[in-house]
Amino acid sequence: AAGVIQSPRHLIKEKRETATLKCYPIPRHDTVYWYQQGPGQDPQFLISFYEKMQSDKGSIPDRFSAQQFSDYHSELNMSSLELGDSALYFCASSLSPGSTEAFFGQGTRLTVV
Amino acid sequence: AQTVTQSQPEMSVQEAETVTLSCTYDTSESDYYLFWYKQPPSRQMILVIRQEAYKQQNATENRFSVNFQKAAKSFSLKISDSQLGDAAMYFCAYRSGGFGGAQKLVFGQGTRLTINP
Repeated sequence: AAGVIQSPRHLIKEKRETATLKCYPIPRHDTVYWYQQGPGQDPQFLISFYEKMQSDKGSIPDRFSAQQFSDYHSELNMSSLELGDSALYFCASSLSPGSTEAFFGQGTRLTVV
Repeated sequence: AQTVTQSQPEMSVQEAETVTLSCTYDTSESDYYLFWYKQPPSRQMILVIRQEAYKQQNATENRFSVNFQKAAKSFSLKISDSQLGDAAMYFCAYRSGGFGGAQKLVFGQGTRLTINP
């Protein structure tokens, strides 16, 4: 069965650079969530989208932006990267906003040096 | 705001024995969902079990079961006949049952479970 695809799986960037993380939800899933998991931390909600519109916003820095495209894939853009942005970034998708189960991708590990 | 607390940073159990992981949460909502996720060394987040707050019956999935105490706001996970493959970080998570938009998950701090052969 198709799963949530995230790319790239690993990314190394220098401070002050920009990064773009991509998420391809499960086919027919119209809702996407982004989470950030720092080393030894629990996942923290960043932002969510439903039908290409932002649905909810969590503790996402102003340096980050995200959008969902017409094919429902989503991109998380991160600028002026800081060392503290090093984390595992998860994308999850669900069939609809009301769906209780969200399916997680394998994550993108971002390392800022 | 809702909070989820896992008071056991680490737990260990002998293979084939039973272990219980604790979770408490705080909410003023009446409609919500609770989850246990497993995160093995691969870091993939895997759903283990789900409980709807409106259901009194505790959820069960094979060797995994929960003890849901709504009044006490407690949601523990019991793993029976522990297997080496159960070794992972386990996260308890809360999701509002509200409508009108995507509902995020709020995670606890996690419990690292070690299985001793």
